This record gives sequence, structure tokens and C-alpha cells, in this order.
Amino acid sequence: EPEVTQTPSHQVTQMGQEVILRCVPISNHLYFYWYRQILGQKVEFLVSFYNNEISEKSEIFDDQFSVERPDGSNFTLKIRSTKLEDSAMYFCASSPGGGRVGEQFFGPGTRLTVL
Amino acid sequence: AQKITQTQPGMFVQEKEAVTLDCTYDTSDPSYGLFWYKQPSSGEMIFLIYQGSYDQQNATEGRYSLNFQKARKSANLVISASQLGDSAMYFCAMILGPYGNKLVFGAGTILRVKS
Repeated sequence: EPEVTQTPSHQVTQMGQEVILRCVPISNHLYFYWYRQILGQKVEFLVSFYNNEISEKSEIFDDQFSVERPDGSNFTLKIRSTKLEDSAMYFCASSPGGGRVGEQFFGPGTRLTVL
Repeated sequence: AQKITQTQPGMFVQEKEAVTLDCTYDTSDPSYGLFWYKQPSSGEMIFLIYQGSYDQQNATEGRYSLNFQKARKSANLVISASQLGDSAMYFCAMILGPYGNKLVFGAGTILRVKS
């Protein structure tokens, strides 16, 4: 069964460094998302992406964040200058569009630790 | 604005018993989808069940059923015949449709199944 994959599973970085989190959505999906979950808290929406552009973003998704679909398979989240409070689990999700309203398939997550 | 409320921070259930996890939601949009996700200690988000706002019948998926009471704006998850492997965090989530862009999650309920 096709699934969303994310790499790396765990990333440790120093404050102020740039990180790129990678995702490979399910191949025929059209909509892509990033969410984050700070330890012990609820999952929060960051950004949605469709047709090679951002369709919606949250207040969390400030100028330090960017997303890109550099080729036909990868979907990346870049954090330009990481802060301690960026430490969280980051989930990528994808959706085929149509079918069940809003059904999104989640990847296993990347745990980002900023020191 | 859409909002999801899960009032039970933690629940215990005896193995083989049924348990209900509460979820209420708030939206004025007539078209929406409601989801339940399971998050085990390993961290991944596992889709359990979906209910569309126009669905006439309550959703069921194996041991999971959704008690959808539209007038009360509640979408409680019922797990029948609990198993030790059901111990996890459970999130209720909502998306506004038919072209909703983001899932809004509740705070979650930790379920512990006792043997």
C-alpha cells in the first residue's frame, strides 16, 4: 500500500542553522501539507501546497519557513534559522483531492531537536 | 472559526471492554469532515475513521465506530473490545469542506488499556 515517507526520522541541529525536512508524498496525490507537534501538545497546521504554490499557511509559518516541490516526487520544508522553539515533530501529509473530504495521509514524522 | 474540543485528557479501560472518547466541534460551515487519528508512543499518526457532515449513517471501521450527533456537534469515537495495543493518544480533527485545506486538531485523549 502506498505511503508517505519522511527523512530523516530525527534531526538534531544547532540554533541558527538551516534545516531541510524531506517528504515523499503518495505518487498520485495533488495536495501536500506540513504540520507540527510540539512535545505533549496538539498537532498544528503549518502550510498547504497545491499546484506548485502555497494555498494556505498559518501564523506559525513565518518568513523563516519555506516549502518547495523541487521535482515530481519530493516536498520539502526549510527552516532558515532554527530557534529553540522550533523543536517539534514535523509531519508531512498528502491528499488525493476528491473522494472523502479532506482525507489526508500522514508520514511517520521527523523529530527536530534544536540545541 | 472552527474548533475541536476533547475534554478527557486521559482515560482508562479494561481489556475487552468498550470505551468512548469524546469530541465536540464548532463550525458554522454546513460542509465538513471529522476524523479520528491514533498516535502510539512511536509518534506516527494513524488514520482511524472519517465522518462527513452529510453522511446519514454513523461511520464504522472494524472495532471503531463514530457516534455522530450533528445537532449536538459531537463526534465521539467508540472502540469496542479494547486491546492492549489500543493504548495511545487519540486525536479528533475537523476539516471544512468540500475543498478544505487544513485539519484542525483537538488536544487529544490518552487512552490506557489495562489487562
